[in-house]
Amino acid sequence: LAKTTQPISMDSYEGQEVNITCSHNNIATNDYITWYQQFPSQGPRFIIQGYKTKVTNEVASLFIPADRKSSTLSLPRVSLSDTAVYYCLVRGSQGNLIFGKGTKLSVKP
Amino acid sequence: EPEVTQTPSHQVTQMGQEVILRCVPISNHLYFYWYRQILGQKVEFLVSFYNNEISEKSEIFDDQFSVERPDGSNFTLKIRSTKLEDSAMYFCASRRDRGLRNEQFFGPGTRLTVL
Repeated sequence: LAKTTQPISMDSYEGQEVNITCSHNNIATNDYITWYQQFPSQGPRFIIQGYKTKVTNEVASLFIPADRKSSTLSLPRVSLSDTAVYYCLVRGSQGNLIFGKGTKLSVKP
Repeated sequence: EPEVTQTPSHQVTQMGQEVILRCVPISNHLYFYWYRQILGQKVEFLVSFYNNEISEKSEIFDDQFSVERPDGSNFTLKIRSTKLEDSAMYFCASRRDRGLRNEQFFGPGTRLTVL
């Protein structure tokens, strides 16, 4: 099963753009890349999902190069409330999500 | 917006006791999951459930665990004889169908404390 690797932590300041990169060298041909956000003591929350190129929604953008071996989650103009753990995920064989340790983003004033 | 709900929010039990954690998935969803997260650690998959049977389970999901969909709305996780190491947040999730694009919606979790 494909695994993902992402930085353990990142620091940013309010108003900055944050880019979190994830590598998934062994991603399967039919796998989508999915990003979740988790606040302390809450369930993970879906942010964005993509297969290739660029996907944008009201919360974030996701950039996926042609080889699909990595992806970058871009959060525009972060605020203090964006402080959370961000997970890059691929699916397991039965649709279950395989979580890594995620990237702990700390946004400072 | 429809959401996954879980009860109770916090369960305290004595080691060796049975606990049942309850979840109400989103109504038109067909795939159901349980995950757990030990404090400070990553979210771990336990079991997936579809068409009234387990479709996959992890090594964590041993004979002490069972799942059930007793009616058209509830999805339960039972731990028969709790151990100290079962203390964790337990998250239920649901997904509409098998399509690769469909995200999972997670509930708020049940914090299980085993004393």
